[in-house]
Amino acid sequence: NAGVMQNPRHLVRRRGQEARLRCSPMKGHSHVYWYRQLPEEGLKFMVYLQKENIIDESGMPKERFSAEFPKEGPSILRIQQVVRGDSAAYFCASSPGVRQPNTEAFFGQGTRLTVV
Amino acid sequence: GEDVEQSLFLSVREGDSSVINCTYTDSSSTYLYWYKQEPGAGLQLLTYIFSNMDMKQDQRLTVLLNKKDKHLSLRIADTQTGDSAIYFCAETLSSGGYQKVTFGTGTKLQVIP
Repeated sequence: NAGVMQNPRHLVRRRGQEARLRCSPMKGHSHVYWYRQLPEEGLKFMVYLQKENIIDESGMPKERFSAEFPKEGPSILRIQQVVRGDSAAYFCASSPGVRQPNTEAFFGQGTRLTVV
Repeated sequence: GEDVEQSLFLSVREGDSSVINCTYTDSSSTYLYWYKQEPGAGLQLLTYIFSNMDMKQDQRLTVLLNKKDKHLSLRIADTQTGDSAIYFCAETLSSGGYQKVTFGTGTKLQVIP
């Protein structure tokens, strides 16, 4: 059972380009979280998704950022018109869902976005 | 509130015990976790404790939970150089039918040989 897979591991974009970060959850997991880790800081919650639904996007910046988790395929975090301040590590986590007694989140290795 | 606070840095000598502390503000937390992040890597779940427990021991790791003071600690016995990493505590809150994980800022543990 492969863990949470994120790709690419490293992504370099010029200012103004779009960044697409992908996350494939663990097999059997239907819940995905995205977190951002700025340099020398902790993890900040961005968005929580189930298949085809955004449950909580209270941590998402109001502009340029969007996330989806389609019925088929990975979850995508999209950042449009990237700026230098978007440079960070973006982590995805998945969990089986709220009905299981222990819903610890399992994390991917992260995508390190560098905006030049 | 959902603030989780940790001290930023801890330095210990190899073989000594390390104690990493965390305070949280939301008393309705269900699970509390400790994650380890090595340089350039993702987060590895070390251990967790359910909110109705006071203590949990797992080999070299001991988790203590003081619900009254909303204080969580992780003790690493016989600390090794391989334990050098950033340690995040996290709480899980049940809200609106789903679980949301909130992290502290992380404590960087440096182990001196």
